[in-house]
Amino acid sequence: KAGVTQTPRYLIKTRGQQVTLSCSPISGHRSVSWYQQTPGQGLQFLFEYFSETQRNKGNFPGRFSGRQFSNSRSEMNVSTLELGDSALYLCASTLGGREETQYFGPGTRLLVL
Amino acid sequence: QKEVEQDPGPLSVPEGAIVSLNCTYSNSAFQYFMWYRQYSRKGPELLMYTYSSGNKEDGRFTAQVDKSSKYISLFIRDSQPSDSATYLCAPRGGSTLGRLYFGRGTQLTVWP
Repeated sequence: KAGVTQTPRYLIKTRGQQVTLSCSPISGHRSVSWYQQTPGQGLQFLFEYFSETQRNKGNFPGRFSGRQFSNSRSEMNVSTLELGDSALYLCASTLGGREETQYFGPGTRLLVL
Repeated sequence: QKEVEQDPGPLSVPEGAIVSLNCTYSNSAFQYFMWYRQYSRKGPELLMYTYSSGNKEDGRFTAQVDKSSKYISLFIRDSQPSDSATYLCAPRGGSTLGRLYFGRGTQLTVWP
């Protein structure tokens, strides 16, 4: 079974631009979570989508948004990029039930100049 | 105070050593406890998954959870150079199903 895939793998943007990242979960998984990883803050939870609905949300500004499609693929968008948004963005998928664990993709490395 | 505290290391041990990695947490609602391994420039890889208190063994790896003291441990026996990575503890609650609370990660190097 194929793992979680993320596109693109690397991205360079400039301040003020916006960016959209994509995540395809493991086949059959209905929950997709997004995390931001930086050397200073570690892994921080952004949000989770389950069956096209946002189920959990972390403490990030409204510039960070996401959505999930009917095939469970998910996108996250960051508007008005800031230098501090440079990070590895990871998505993880799970079946969505109480006993389930999350499986991570390889991440998208975003550099904001 | 962060919900999960983990000593970032770095930790450097010789091949064959027993490695002990630890986390403490503050949220008594945490019920599920995961350990992830992350190699440089890769996504985290699930290593161990434990529910509630107790021990779980998988090959050279043993995970321990003590909910009374809010203490999580991972032991690696007969450590190998291929174990060199960052180890992340990640508990979660029973109600916040899609949200893991990560420690900062401990960077481990096993030298031959």
